Amino acid sequence: QKEVEQDPGPLSVPEGAIVSLNCTYSNSAFQYFMWYRQYSRKGPELLMYTYSSGNKEDGRFTAQVDKSSKYISLFIRDSQPSDSATYLCAMSPYSSASKIIFGSGTRLSIRP
Amino acid sequence: ETGVTQSPTHLIKTRGQQVTLRCSSQSGHNTVSWYQQALGQGPQFIFQYYREEENGRGNFPPRFSGLQFPNYSSELNVNALELDDSALYLCASSQDRGGEKLFFGSGTQLSVL
Repeated sequence: QKEVEQDPGPLSVPEGAIVSLNCTYSNSAFQYFMWYRQYSRKGPELLMYTYSSGNKEDGRFTAQVDKSSKYISLFIRDSQPSDSATYLCAMSPYSSASKIIFGSGTRLSIRP
Repeated sequence: ETGVTQSPTHLIKTRGQQVTLRCSSQSGHNTVSWYQQALGQGPQFIFQYYREEENGRGNFPPRFSGLQFPNYSSELNVNALELDDSALYLCASSQDRGGEKLFFGSGTQLSVL
């Protein structure tokens, strides 16, 4: 079993829809949770970063962490075609790049 | 403020050869981490350099080695290339070994034939 599980998709939704992306994990020591967006032939770009449990909102994006269920989510409101990309969840027991575990990514396509 | 740049963009090598990939960190960042991303997978940590010294290594063999220079640019060297080394190699810079805010370059796509 992988430490971080993420549905690879692809996920296709119409423009304007609310998108829900999710990851589950097995290591209860994870404290730092991140979401990255990766466009084709580009490097990942940090979207959201959350420490411990709770919600964090930034514009159209909301990140949720439920440590009791070992489950994290990223919601995208009013989705746009420019949101079409692969979304990677990532998590770490502490603030160190050397300990970050990435999910395998979910491919998202927003239909105009 | 300049971003993270990597060179070359694409590279084709044959099995057994050696390759050097280069990374220029974001201005002000003193830490660089290298990742390997196979097709359809998330990035896997190779190693990290902080102030010119290796500061952590993932599950990669010694034929993967690196350097960080005084200007915080970095190199990834891979010896005795194998077919499974074909992947996107990403470098990410950050400040003071921090992992919660990594800035990635666009990567080098390496193909080993």
